[in-house]
This record gives sequence, C-alpha cells and structure tokens, in this order.
Amino acid sequence: DARVTQTPRHKVTEMGQEVTMRCQPILGHNTVFWYRQTMMQGLELLAYFRNRAPLDDSGMPKDRFSAEMPDATLATLKIQPSEPRDSAVYFCASGLVLGSPEQYFGPGTRLTVT
Amino acid sequence: AQSVTQPDIHITVSEGASLELRCNYSYGATPYLFWYVQSPGQGLQLLLKYFSGDTLVQGIKGFEAEFKRSQSSFNLRKPSVHWSDAAEYFCAVGARVTGGGNKLTFGTGTQLKVEL
Repeated sequence: DARVTQTPRHKVTEMGQEVTMRCQPILGHNTVFWYRQTMMQGLELLAYFRNRAPLDDSGMPKDRFSAEMPDATLATLKIQPSEPRDSAVYFCASGLVLGSPEQYFGPGTRLTVT
Repeated sequence: AQSVTQPDIHITVSEGASLELRCNYSYGATPYLFWYVQSPGQGLQLLLKYFSGDTLVQGIKGFEAEFKRSQSSFNLRKPSVHWSDAAEYFCAVGARVTGGGNKLTFGTGTQLKVEL
C-alpha cells in the first residue's frame, strides 16, 4: 500500500558534518512537510512545500538547515554543519492541497550528532 | 493561531477496560481534527479524523472520537483496550493555509500504558 518512505532510518554523525535526509512522498501527494520530534519540544513543524515550492520554512534554523524538493518524488532536508542539539527524530509527511487534509507520516530518521 | 492541549501526559489502564484520552483545541473557525498514534520507533499513524458532519467519528483499531464544539474538545475513546494499544497518542488541529494545503498543530501527546 502507498506510504511515505524516508532514508536513512538512523544516522550517527560527528558535530560539524553535513547530514542529508531524504523523503519520498506518497505518489500523487502535492504537499510535503518536515517535522522534528524531541522529548523536550515534542513535534515541531520545520518546513512545508506545495507542488514542490516552499510555502513556509519559518520553523527551521536558517543558518544551518535547508529543505528542497528537486522533483515531485523527492524531498530533502539538509543540516550543515550539524550540532549535538540537532539530535532528534525527523519526520516527513505528505498530503493533498485539495480534498482531505490529513497528513501521512514516514517512519522517521533518527539523527544522533556526537 | 491554533493550539491543542492534551492534559494527560501519562495514562495507565488495565487490559479490557475502557479508555478516554482528552484533547482540547483552540481555533477560530470550524477545525479539522485528528488523532494519531505512535508506537515506539515508528512514525505517526492516523487513527481518525473529523472535518464536518456527524460529530462522532469512527477510526481504525476500534477507536472513536467525539467533537464537541461547545467544549472545544475532541476526546478519543475505546470501549475495551488491548495490550497492543500501548503507545503515544497525539491530537492535532489542522488549518488551511494561504497557498493551499493544511498546517497541523499537534498536542504534546499522551503516553498510554496497558496493564495486563
């Protein structure tokens, strides 16, 4: 059945390294969302896209985070340089611009920055 | 701006007992409301949703929720809990955004423990 996929599922990296997380939304979905989940802050919306165009990335630290959608089947979230405080689970979700407004989540990327 | 409050951080119930998880929202118009469940190490799975119409909505895994506009609530219920229901439950409110699409605001979650 259709689902959102995310790679990698786990990533351990050292402070200062670049991290790229990838998301494949459900085929036909035209909105994509990036969330970050931590124990302290819960679920935070980082950015979202409609038809590959960024609508809002106000939740992202601009100096080190960037989000793109090179094509309709791929969304990326990049952190450069990474810091220990970026350790979290990053979720991608997809949905539709029109019609039913729910979002469908991927399994997440667990990032650990040492 | 919309907001969601889940007043119970942890709830413990015995297997077979009934369950009610509370959710209160703040939103200026008729909201889109959702309940998601997250098992350890997994993503969020949609349990049920409310957009309009019948205020009692049925979801997967035997869950239901009732929208009460007068109380700004959308509580999740299940008549008989199974051990496999142990997970974290998130209530969310959705709002249309300029340019299309919907933005979800999540509550802080309720961790459900089921005693055998």
